[in-house]
Amino acid sequence: DAGVTQSPTHLIKTRGQQVTLRCSPKSGHDTVSWYQQALGQGPQFIFQYYEEEERQRGNFPDRFSGHQYPNYSSELNVNALLLGDSALYLCASSLPDNYGYTFGSGTRLTVV
Amino acid sequence: KNEVEQSPQNLTAQEGEFITINCSYSVGISALHWLQQHPGGGIVSLFMLSSGKKKHGRLIATINIQEKHSSLHITASHPRDSAVYICAAENTGNQFYFGTGTSLTVIP
Repeated sequence: DAGVTQSPTHLIKTRGQQVTLRCSPKSGHDTVSWYQQALGQGPQFIFQYYEEEERQRGNFPDRFSGHQYPNYSSELNVNALLLGDSALYLCASSLPDNYGYTFGSGTRLTVV
Repeated sequence: KNEVEQSPQNLTAQEGEFITINCSYSVGISALHWLQQHPGGGIVSLFMLSSGKKKHGRLIATINIQEKHSSLHITASHPRDSAVYICAAENTGNQFYFGTGTSLTVIP
C-alpha cells in the first residue's frame, strides 16, 4: 500500500523562476493538503484540495497556487520565486475531515 | 504568540530514560496530533487524540481538554527514537496549527 509520494525530492531554482511540485495521495485518500516548513520551524498550512477545488487556504500570497486532478493527485505551483521560499514542502493526504492523515517525505526547494 | 507551543525545544536523554514532551494550544480543537519527523523530512503520524489517553508500544499520548494541554511520553527510550516530535492542533474547520517541534536525541 503506497503512502504519499512527492516529487521531486530536491530542487534548486533561481529567484524569479516558477516551480511545480507534485503529490500523489495514499490509495483511497481524496483530500490533499500542502505545507511549507522553513528550517527549524513547524509546518505552515498553505492550502487543501478536495474534489478538485481549493477548500481552505492559509496565509500565503497568490504566488502559491495549486491544482487537484480527478485521480486526486495534486500540484503546488509557486511563481516569481523568492529566496524566502526555500523550504521543505510537505504534502499530506487524508479522507474527508482529515481522517487517516498521512504525510509524504517532502520536496526540499532551494532558491538561489 | 503561536497557537501551539511545545517544550522543551531540544532534549537529550540516555537510553532507557522516560521522556515527556509537552504541548499547549490556544485554539479550539477537534483533535490534537502528535507527529514524528526524521532527518530528511519524512513525517509519520503517531497519535490523533480528542480526549483521554492513547498508547502504542512504548509511546503514550495524553490530552487535557480543559487545560488545553497534551503530553507525549516515551518509555524505555532507545536511540532509534531520536527524531523531531511535532504537536499539531486541528481546529473545528479541519485546519492544522503546528508547533515548532521538539528535537530528541537518545544517547546509547
